[in-house]
Amino acid sequence: EAQVTQNPRYLITVTGKKLTVTCSQNMNHEYMSWYRQDPGLGLRQIYYSMNVEVTDKGDVPEGYKVSRKEKRNFPLILESPSPNQTSLYFCASSLSPEGLAGGPWETQYFGPGTRLLVL
Amino acid sequence: GDSVTQMEGPVTLSEEAFLTINCTYTATGYPSLFWYVQYPGEGLQLLLKATKADDKGSNKGFEATYRKETTSFHLEKGSVQVSDSAVYFCAHSRTSGGYQKVTFGTGTKLQVIP
Repeated sequence: EAQVTQNPRYLITVTGKKLTVTCSQNMNHEYMSWYRQDPGLGLRQIYYSMNVEVTDKGDVPEGYKVSRKEKRNFPLILESPSPNQTSLYFCASSLSPEGLAGGPWETQYFGPGTRLLVL
Repeated sequence: GDSVTQMEGPVTLSEEAFLTINCTYTATGYPSLFWYVQYPGEGLQLLLKATKADDKGSNKGFEATYRKETTSFHLEKGSVQVSDSAVYFCAHSRTSGGYQKVTFGTGTKLQVIP
């Protein structure tokens, strides 16, 4: 089954304790990204990756890191979490917009979300 | 800059009522337009999309038409069901230097009561 998986689904942590949220897709997608969802703000992009070893900042990258060492995985790292990073996080993947038939019409496939609470 | 504006919710309707959720956008160039739906406790999933002006996207009884002249992509359904209760996100997407920039609206929560 084609899917995007995230772990953990729920996480409670304390300020300053490093954490990693994993994301994996089995669709051989080149493009992956992380979003956070907050009430009244919709989804805002944190980081994205166009392929292995190619990552760049989205709209709200402060306080986050990512890596893309393998095509299928795109972990999100919070080196020193703070309460303002309490949010619902989604990983997404899609075919590259620059692929053979790619374009801005490519559908994004989302993971089930990770709800993070930073105390 | 790029933006998507949706009507605020929650929208509460009785079963079999007509649904309209308004969406307007600003974007550079010619974006593709999407509606995503988020059921409780789940991630977003594509509901429908349109890739050029005057295209109509449709799925599960929902429809939306890409109106370039009014920069709108309103979502409609003739007869809603309780199972349609969810949050609906309008979004647009364009490419820039190999990067697919997707901009989401803030979401509109729909509650359908029996």
